[in-house]
Amino acid sequence: GAGVSQSPSNKVTEKGKDVELRCDPISGHTALYWYRQSLGQGLEFLIYFQGNSAPDKSGLPSDRFSAERTGGSVSTLTIQRTQQEDSAVYLCASSLGPTNEKLFFGSGTQLSVL
Amino acid sequence: QKEVEQNSGPLSVPEGAIASLNCTYSDRVSQSFFWYRQYSGKSPELIMSIYSNGDKEDGRFTAQLNKASQYVSLLIRDSQPSDSATYLCAVKGGGGTSYGKLTFGQGTILTVHP
Repeated sequence: GAGVSQSPSNKVTEKGKDVELRCDPISGHTALYWYRQSLGQGLEFLIYFQGNSAPDKSGLPSDRFSAERTGGSVSTLTIQRTQQEDSAVYLCASSLGPTNEKLFFGSGTQLSVL
Repeated sequence: QKEVEQNSGPLSVPEGAIASLNCTYSDRVSQSFFWYRQYSGKSPELIMSIYSNGDKEDGRFTAQLNKASQYVSLLIRDSQPSDSATYLCAVKGGGGTSYGKLTFGQGTILTVHP
């Protein structure tokens, strides 16, 4: 595609519910990253995929967070039993390859947990 | 101590002035440094990268790097109202990180007033 696509753009959920966030990277980009941005904060790294593998999951805040990538393309970030502190913008980025440092970001999913 | 620190601002400059944005980092082995611009409600966009000590110029933007002082800055000459945004400093970790995982500062809000 022309850019990194994320859906939904906005998600409002109740505390305790599960949510799924989707990222469709730029075609041909093998590296994919998830970041989280809380209000007034910088970007917090969550997880990195190279192809379908996740060699670095060190940023996932708890075991309620998981992610997968299929076909070397679309990735899904799942948050189980959401908490209010999970409210943030979840950004996905992709790059051409593992050593390519130019990240292209999607427009993000604004998650609000009530 | 945060790994990447920026003055959150806001930094306010008049149109036509030079805006100076600063960033310090804690990991001495970091090798790659980036400035991203983020308009309100939008995704971050890479505007500058720098790898060697000294200055790198691109149009109205100049990135400066001093590895001995662990300091990187961004100068915007002839600032325009359209430059008003949050500027994020990002650092690629050293120590064997062979992929594009970036650590971001919290961002500096820049306002250019007419």
